[in-house]
Amino acid sequence: QSALTQPASVSGSPGQSITISCTGTSSDVGGYNYVSWYQQHPGKAPKLMIYDVSNRPSGISNRFSASKSGSTASLTISGLQAEDEADYYCTSYTSSSSWVFGGGTKLTVL
Amino acid sequence: EVHLVESGGGLVQPGGSLRLSCAASGFTFSSYWMHWVRQAPGKGLVWVSRIDDDGSSITYADSVKGRFTISRDNAKNTVYLQMNNLRAEDTAVYYCARRSGYTDYDLGYWGQGTLVTVST
Repeated sequence: QSALTQPASVSGSPGQSITISCTGTSSDVGGYNYVSWYQQHPGKAPKLMIYDVSNRPSGISNRFSASKSGSTASLTISGLQAEDEADYYCTSYTSSSSWVFGGGTKLTVL
Repeated sequence: EVHLVESGGGLVQPGGSLRLSCAASGFTFSSYWMHWVRQAPGKGLVWVSRIDDDGSSITYADSVKGRFTISRDNAKNTVYLQMNNLRAEDTAVYYCARRSGYTDYDLGYWGQGTLVTVST
């Protein structure tokens, strides 16, 4: 159950787009379309942003989009806003009937 | 409205035990898998365990297998995490979570968390 691999940090200016990658294996990301993404602000509980690879829950801005290719999933945030500054985590269901998170990516809006 | 409230955290010595509770409301508790996820201070999220709707299927992260036990009482709308033989590395905020309802495989609703500190 090794953690999925995410970049430790990414940054972008307001209005720009950024992409966060999430790399796993054929036993998790590559084997299932059950990747989800979470946003976490300091001191707060995580918030679901994307489920099942690319689907947005009701109320989530369409500036958030996601996809998957092979064993790598990606989250893209377009039109960056100051309130997007947060930590982002991916997670995947696994062949062991468990879940595994990525190490998290700190997004800085410059 | 879905509401999850964790309790039971606190300071415990290494080797000690603690039982966390998560009280659920606002939905039909007996129809949903429940999860525990933890986050060490300043670190990332780590999935800990999941129990299915009637408690017949349970999975654990390798790091807690054999030491932690998840259970639920559907009559009390509560999920538990019994933590034994605690180690310093178990120090974390522990969240309970439930799927969103869009899919079985996400964590759409979270509690506010309860802090467990393992230290002398």
